[in-house]
Amino acid sequence: DIVLTQSPALAVSLEQRATISCKTSQNVDNYGISYMHWYQQKPGQQPKLLIYEGSNLASGIPARFSGSGSGTDFTLTIDPVEADDIATYYCQQSKDYPRTFGGGTKLELK
Amino acid sequence: EVQLVESGGGLVQPGRSLKLSCAASGFTFSNYGMAWVCQAPTKGLEWVASISTGGGNTYYRDSVKGRFTISRDNAKNTLYLQMDSLRSEDTATYYCARDYYDGYYYVMDAWGQGASVTVSS
Repeated sequence: DIVLTQSPALAVSLEQRATISCKTSQNVDNYGISYMHWYQQKPGQQPKLLIYEGSNLASGIPARFSGSGSGTDFTLTIDPVEADDIATYYCQQSKDYPRTFGGGTKLELK
Repeated sequence: EVQLVESGGGLVQPGRSLKLSCAASGFTFSNYGMAWVCQAPTKGLEWVASISTGGGNTYYRDSVKGRFTISRDNAKNTLYLQMDSLRSEDTATYYCARDYYDGYYYVMDAWGQGASVTVSS
């Protein structure tokens, strides 16, 4: 199985930049496509797709969210952080079955 | 508007069965793969199973193989998860998700609100 590793938590101040990393145990790129996606989940709510294919913004997602990386190292950036962004963020790969998620990074306010 | 509404959750004893349903609307259901993802209390997300557009291809995580069955009825725009031989470790919220395929990759681009399953005696 492809293991995705995220830091459990990140403390950030409003209006600052948040950088959330995701490292995979195997390359999740293929033919120039990154099979890496990012989701946001607020307490008591279902996950919401933020970024797909490593760097593409999902429909309706504000431009302060961006994704980057390739191979085994990926990053979700929120710049600037707003109060509404306090949530848990998950990376997920769809290159191989079983589909796997990172453990999630809880974004907290300093 | 895309809507996915799960139902069928509840409290069930270990070893018993439960069947979840997910009613889809706002899109052409038969054109999309579908998936189930679970989340144990205070834990992260875990993919459970996926099914192709016509239902001919199914995929499961190892821990549910042989116990859970994903299926779909395209005439009723409904996705199912038959859960047999339930264990306490299956206790979780189960989300139904639309599995968008662009020709290269799948991504779960729409999610239901979840159905809670508790396995306990």
